[in-house]
Amino acid sequence: NAGVTQTPKFRVLKTGQSMTLLCAQDMNHEYMYWYRQDPGMGLRLIHYSVGEGTTAKGEVPDGYNVSRLKKQNFLLGLESAAPSQTSVYFCASSLTAGPRGGELFFGEGSRLTVL
Amino acid sequence: AQSVAQPEDQVNVAEGNPLTVKCTYSVSGNPYLFWYVQYPNRGLQFLLKYITGDNLVKGSYGFEAEFNKSQTSFHLKKPSALVSDSALYFCAVRRISYNTDKLIFGTGTRLQVFP
Repeated sequence: NAGVTQTPKFRVLKTGQSMTLLCAQDMNHEYMYWYRQDPGMGLRLIHYSVGEGTTAKGEVPDGYNVSRLKKQNFLLGLESAAPSQTSVYFCASSLTAGPRGGELFFGEGSRLTVL
Repeated sequence: AQSVAQPEDQVNVAEGNPLTVKCTYSVSGNPYLFWYVQYPNRGLQFLLKYITGDNLVKGSYGFEAEFNKSQTSFHLKKPSALVSDSALYFCAVRRISYNTDKLIFGTGTRLQVFP
């Protein structure tokens, strides 16, 4: 059982380049999230999805786009990378939203450097 | 606005001593509170959660957390620290409204356990 898998794990981009981070989960979870982690700022929510075909903005959505065409996949895109997007990106998923659930399962992270 | 604060950037404790990692929250309505742990170069792992019921919640690896409604706190505790507990700990609050469901994280507390 792989859980949540992120690809690629490392990437270096030049300013203005585009790229896509792929997140795949094999737990049949409805909810999926993209976070970025920066020193001293904890994790900040970029975008999330409450089901296939749906997406919503989080705390820091600017400069990013997402798509959830299939339930198991959640893609994070950077159309024109900027140095401020240098970060570690984490994908997460959860089964339910209500009181009986809510815990997130995280991928191993994707370290992105924008020069 | 719902938020969570971790007032200490780092906590140092000797192996075998009790440890406490502090967390305070601000929510409207009933809080859903979580603790996660992050080991170096890994994703976050779920430790425990408080939804309702007993104020003392037990979780993985011998950790527990005490929910205190009057002090709006959810401190993480362990009776006897291990060197292997050294990691980054995140408190989180689930933010639920009619059109949103997000997990908001604190900035993290680094726990160092010395032999």
